[in-house]
Amino acid sequence: AQSVSQHNHHVILSEAASLELGCNYSYGGTVNLFWYVQYPGQHLQLLLKYFSGDPLVKGIKGFEAEFIKSKFSFNLRKPSVQWSDTAEYFCAVNAGRGSTLGRLYFGRGTQLTVWP
Amino acid sequence: DTGVSQDPRHKITKRGQNVTFRCDPISEHNRLYWYRQTLGQGPEFLTYFQNEAQLEKSRLLSDRFSAERPKGSFSTLEIQRTEQGDSAMYLCASSPGGSGRALAGNEQYFGPGTRLTVT
Repeated sequence: AQSVSQHNHHVILSEAASLELGCNYSYGGTVNLFWYVQYPGQHLQLLLKYFSGDPLVKGIKGFEAEFIKSKFSFNLRKPSVQWSDTAEYFCAVNAGRGSTLGRLYFGRGTQLTVWP
Repeated sequence: DTGVSQDPRHKITKRGQNVTFRCDPISEHNRLYWYRQTLGQGPEFLTYFQNEAQLEKSRLLSDRFSAERPKGSFSTLEIQRTEQGDSAMYLCASSPGGSGRALAGNEQYFGPGTRLTVT
C-alpha cells in the first residue's frame, strides 16, 4: 500500500523566516501529489497540486512545491512566512489504477506555528 | 454556501449506540469520499462513491460501518454498536467526475467534518 511520510511534526518559525516542509511517498508508478492546509477552526483546503509537467508548482498564498521523482519527494516551501500561515499542513498522494484512482493517502501532518 | 456540508458537526454517544452522519457534496460533483481522522494523524480513506455506486471500501470500514448514496446526491455514513475506538473526526469530500488520469488530478473539496465522541 502507498504511504506518505511527513517527518516534521511541529515546526516553529518567526515571521519572515523561510519554510520547507518535507514529504516523501512510497509508490513507484505515476502519482499525483497535493498539499492541503487546515487553518485553525477551518476545514481542509487545497494549497497546490502536481499532476504533470513542470515539477515546480506554485500554489496560493506564495507557497510552492517541487516534485523530485528520483527522491520520491514533494517538499513544500515558502520564502517568507507570515503569522497567518499558522496551520496544519498535510501532504497527500493519489496513486493506483482503475477504481483506486481518486482516493488520497495523507501524511500525518505538520503543525506550523509562526510567531509574530 | 456552495461547499460541502456535513451534519451534525458534533455527536456524543454512548458505547453500543448507533449513529448516522450526513454529507451533502457540491451539487455538480459526482464523486463523494469519506475519510476518518484521529488526533495527530492525517485523514484515512474509508470509502467512495461515483454517483450512487460505492466503488471502493477500505479495510478500515468494518462490518459495523455502512455508507450509502441512494440518489447520487447526499450520502450517509452509519456506525452500528459504536466503540470508543470509533471516536474521531469523520470527513466528507467531493470532486468532479472524469476518468483515468484526469480523475486522479481532480481536487477533493472537504467539508467541516463530524466529530464523534463515544463515551
